[in-house]
Amino acid sequence: EVQLVESGGGLVQPGGSLRLSCAASGFTFSGFWMSWVRQAPGKGLEWVASIKQDGSDNYYVDSVKGRFTISRDNAKNSLYLQMNSLRAEDTAVYYCARVRRWLQFYYFDYWGQGTLVTVSS
Amino acid sequence: EIVLTQSPGTLSLSPGERATLSCRASQSVSSSYLAWYQQRPGQAPRLLIYGASSRATDIPDRFSGSGSGTDFTLTISRLEPEDFAVYYCQHYGSSAWTFGQGTKVEI
Repeated sequence: EVQLVESGGGLVQPGGSLRLSCAASGFTFSGFWMSWVRQAPGKGLEWVASIKQDGSDNYYVDSVKGRFTISRDNAKNSLYLQMNSLRAEDTAVYYCARVRRWLQFYYFDYWGQGTLVTVSS
Repeated sequence: EIVLTQSPGTLSLSPGERATLSCRASQSVSSSYLAWYQQRPGQAPRLLIYGASSRATDIPDRFSGSGSGTDFTLTISRLEPEDFAVYYCQHYGSSAWTFGQGTKVEI
């Protein structure tokens, strides 16, 4: 059974930093792209970042470029999101998601339960 | 960047009724590169449909997806109580993923 378990969320002041983790199990972690998707309170879904199987390539939504860094440790079956210079608008539930490929289309086939990040003074 | 617009914002229906949800893309979507997700209150999203019309694993056949180009539809043939939720469409292109703003299906 595929499982994705996020951790590391919490309350942080504007300008602060936080590191999210996602522990994966039930599949060959090193064989899949992985992503972070967030959802602000009462709002819709927003893709944040994605990383290739071996970590050699990654993509970010414009609003987090230069502030967030996605990484992975395939030996530990873990995905990370380092978030720096946090802003109030980064407040959201952050989901870890596995990326699946169909032809040249990439979508999210499994999701974790999410971890809440609150940026407030 | 392709923008996805979902309509209606809210759909008020009763159990047993048919639900038709729309997702319109600002430009033509290559080869039906579209997915649909369901999100129940307090839960993570769940994949329903990928490739515009292929059901994901364990998704009941009352859910179906159709469409091509710029217009896509998610149909729930007969609403069950657990289907009242928010539904999102999603596209991938140019190394970025985009979601529609969601349609809430309420009782």
